[in-house]
Amino acid sequence: DTGVSQDPRHKITKRGQNVTFRCDPISEHNRLYWYRQTLGQGPEFLTYFQNEAQLEKSRLLSDRFSAERPKGSFSTLEIQRTEQGDSAMYLCASSIRDRDTEAFFGQGTRLTVV
Amino acid sequence: AQSVTQLDSQVPVFEEAPVELRCNYSSSVSVYLFWYVQYPNQGLQLLLKYLSGSTLVKGINGFEAEFNKSQTSFHLRKPSVHISDTAEYFCAVTYKAAGNKLTFGGGTRVLVKP
Repeated sequence: DTGVSQDPRHKITKRGQNVTFRCDPISEHNRLYWYRQTLGQGPEFLTYFQNEAQLEKSRLLSDRFSAERPKGSFSTLEIQRTEQGDSAMYLCASSIRDRDTEAFFGQGTRLTVV
Repeated sequence: AQSVTQLDSQVPVFEEAPVELRCNYSSSVSVYLFWYVQYPNQGLQLLLKYLSGSTLVKGINGFEAEFNKSQTSFHLRKPSVHISDTAEYFCAVTYKAAGNKLTFGGGTRVLVKP
């Protein structure tokens, strides 16, 4: 297993466009998390799934954001009508429930909204 | 709710000198503590974690941290740094009932000088 994979690594989009990111977790991991990291800051929690169920969403996740994990494997994060303030690194992580609590992170998708 | 404070935003240090990165947390419940490292344009890599037991935790790349419950601290140390340790370091906290979602500090940028 090569770890958590995120695609694309970089995305430049015009303000107002929709974007979608994909995360493939480590295969046996049943928990999947999305975080957002702006320049010079620590990552902030957005949402997490246990299998296909979305168990928690942060208040940071506005109505323009939606995340899915339809089959309990990969996940997508969509941002509609992007704004310049959405420019950030979007990090995905996965873990096994109740096993060591360690989360493994992907390399992130860097979004730039112009 | 939990919070994490990393007291130093930047730490310049000479090669082969020791370094200490400070982390304080606040929580009303028992916590799990982590230190992650992030290299430029990369995801997060786990350095070490405290779940329970011995308060002195050893991690990868010669790093160690000490959990101090009375002072609510989890400071990271390395006795002799290398140029390759130049990176951003994040302290994070979670607890079991939180679904293991992480709350991060703002990060400490370590710059190792020759």
